[in-house]
Amino acid sequence: AQSVTQPDIHITVSEGASLELRCNYSYGATPYLFWYVQSPGQGLQLLLKYFSGDTLVQGIKGFEAEFKRSQSSFNLRKPSVHWSDAAEYFCAVGGVGYGGSQGNLIFGKGTKLSVKP
Amino acid sequence: EAQVTQNPRYLITVTGKKLTVTCSQNMNHEYMSWYRQDPGLGLRQIYYSMNVEVTDKGDVPEGYKVSRKEKRNFPLILESPSPNQTSLYFCASTYRAPGQSLYGYTFGSGTRLTVV
Repeated sequence: AQSVTQPDIHITVSEGASLELRCNYSYGATPYLFWYVQSPGQGLQLLLKYFSGDTLVQGIKGFEAEFKRSQSSFNLRKPSVHWSDAAEYFCAVGGVGYGGSQGNLIFGKGTKLSVKP
Repeated sequence: EAQVTQNPRYLITVTGKKLTVTCSQNMNHEYMSWYRQDPGLGLRQIYYSMNVEVTDKGDVPEGYKVSRKEKRNFPLILESPSPNQTSLYFCASTYRAPGQSLYGYTFGSGTRLTVV
C-alpha cells in the first residue's frame, strides 16, 4: 500500500542553521513527490514537486529537495533557516494512476518546525 | 488572484443538523478534492472530482456527500453531522497536463468545523 512516513514529529533549529526534513515513501509505481508548508491557521502551500528528471529540485523560499529512488526518500533541505520558516511541513506522494488513484495525494503526518533565535 | 475559496472559515453546529461547506476555484481546474486534517493523522482525502459530474470516494468518505455540477464549485455536504466529524477541512484543486501527473493541489484556507 502507498504510504508516506515523516519520522520526525517536531524539530527545533537555530535561526541561520541548516535544515533537513526527512520523508520516506512507499509507492508501487513511479512516484510524484511534493512538499507542502502550513503556517498556523493557514492552508497548505506547495513548496516544490518532483515528477521526473533532475533528482534535485528547487522550490520557493529557498528550499530544495532531493529524490533518492534507492532509499525511497525525498528529503527537504534549506541551507539557512529564517524565523519565518517556523511552520508544519508535509510530504506527499501521488502518481499517474488511473481510476481511484488519480485524484489522490497521500500525505505524511507532518513535521513541525520550530526556530529559536 | 488564483485561489480556492472556502466558506465558512469557522462553523459550530449541533449533531444531526445538515450543513454545507462551499468551495470555489477560479483557475478552471478539472480536479477538485476535499481533505480533512486531524492531529496525529495528517490529511486524509474525503472525496475528489475529476470533472463536472464525475466524483469518487477518497479514504474517509463515510458521512459526507459531494456534488460537482459546475467546474468551479465543489461543495461538501454533511447530511447528519456527528461529533467525530469535528475537524479542519480543506478544499483543493489542480490540473493535469496531458500525459503528466497531477500538478499539485492548490489549497483553500480551511474550514474549522465543530459538531457538538
